[in-house]
Amino acid sequence: DTAVSQTPKYLVTQMGNDKSIKCEQNLGHDTMYWYKQDSKKFLKIMFSYNNKELIINETVPNRFSPKSPDKAHLNLHINSLELGDSAVYFCASSRQARLNYGYTFGSGTRLTVV
Amino acid sequence: SQQGEEDPQALSIQEGENATMNCSYKTSINNLQWYRQNSGRGLVHLILIRSNEREKHSGRLRVTLDTSKKSSSLLITASRAADTASYFCATDGATNKLIFGTGTLLAVQP
Repeated sequence: DTAVSQTPKYLVTQMGNDKSIKCEQNLGHDTMYWYKQDSKKFLKIMFSYNNKELIINETVPNRFSPKSPDKAHLNLHINSLELGDSAVYFCASSRQARLNYGYTFGSGTRLTVV
Repeated sequence: SQQGEEDPQALSIQEGENATMNCSYKTSINNLQWYRQNSGRGLVHLILIRSNEREKHSGRLRVTLDTSKKSSSLLITASRAADTASYFCATDGATNKLIFGTGTLLAVQP
């Protein structure tokens, strides 16, 4: 049973389209995150939610909008996709927002914008 | 801006040898974590070391932390082909965010 699951695993889409990535965790964790990993494997945090409340919102274009319907789910919607959005997007969760616990990552969504 | 930088960027060793990776960071921390990422997979948490700890072990992994030098090292002993992966350090830095380093790509040759 996957602890943090993301769908889809692969996403190929044209510029200008709108797409969503879904994430669910069954660990009972309070905090969830979205990270973006570029082609050089550099990981950058995008958003964090704690019990459905947005607590971290990095300098991300407002075309990216996270939504957390409950603490087990954190989805990422991207409007007007651009070539530079191509990357692997990782969802993660942790027991609490305090950084005393390791994160559990999903397997990633590879987004390719053509 | 990234908090940590790993060194070396890439490391190739033979099975059975030890692998050492280093991480340097810029600001004070509460703890430092190490993660492994196999090709095409998500990151897996390996170990967390708190700022008041100097060394921690987990199986074949040994992590050291030197807060005066703002550096940490990850030692994998008796490496196996299955240890082939990218290894990242991550720190909490000055903000309530986990910031990842640039990663070390480890290749263990059978």
